Amino acid sequence: DAKTTQPTSMDCAEGRAANLPCNHSTISGNEYVYWYRQIHSQGPQYIIHGLKNNETNEMASLIITEDRKSSTLILPHATLRDTAVYYCIVRGLREYGNKLVFGAGTILRVKS
Amino acid sequence: ETGVTQSPTHLIKTRGQQVTLRCSSQSGHNTVSWYQQALGQGPQFIFQYYREEENGRGNFPPRFSGLQFPNYSSELNVNALELDDSALYLCASSWGTSGYNEQFFGPGTRLTVL
Repeated sequence: DAKTTQPTSMDCAEGRAANLPCNHSTISGNEYVYWYRQIHSQGPQYIIHGLKNNETNEMASLIITEDRKSSTLILPHATLRDTAVYYCIVRGLREYGNKLVFGAGTILRVKS
Repeated sequence: ETGVTQSPTHLIKTRGQQVTLRCSSQSGHNTVSWYQQALGQGPQFIFQYYREEENGRGNFPPRFSGLQFPNYSSELNVNALELDDSALYLCASSWGTSGYNEQFFGPGTRLTVL
């Protein structure tokens, strides 16, 4: 079962920051937070992951609270092409087998 | 470097038939995972193959089976198709099986069972 809770859907204006929340209150010390997204009719795409420090790459930023029970994915300047389902996943790196356990995700609609 | 490819793109079958879906892993990857995604839901893990051996399985019945070939490409076979098998089937490849090894997904095969 998925270990995360996300809102069903969110809207964002084009050019504004999109902030997608995720609750993972049962996360354990060796588990990372991963974000994937799935654009319509495509396979999921890796975005970013982190353990406890904030992370940033060319696609997004990941902010993890100090108690690690929740996180926020930030797309700094959302475009129409960012419209997708965003999945927050908790996973231990040392687990044998790198399967991903997806929840229902958040549908992000970026509007002009 | 080529990405993960899957064939066919779309497929229509009738209940009780058998189907084979194919996946070519990304260059240099030796691990393939298969996922089933029903409409409106997140992908669900079916099984994983590493160096031609099954390496973990999700909650799917034995009529879901797979193969991995020496070139690391893979097949997903589903026997005795049921209406609920209608879904997008995704293949993902990685180099290795640890959590450090990121998975790269293909575009999927859309299976419709009538």
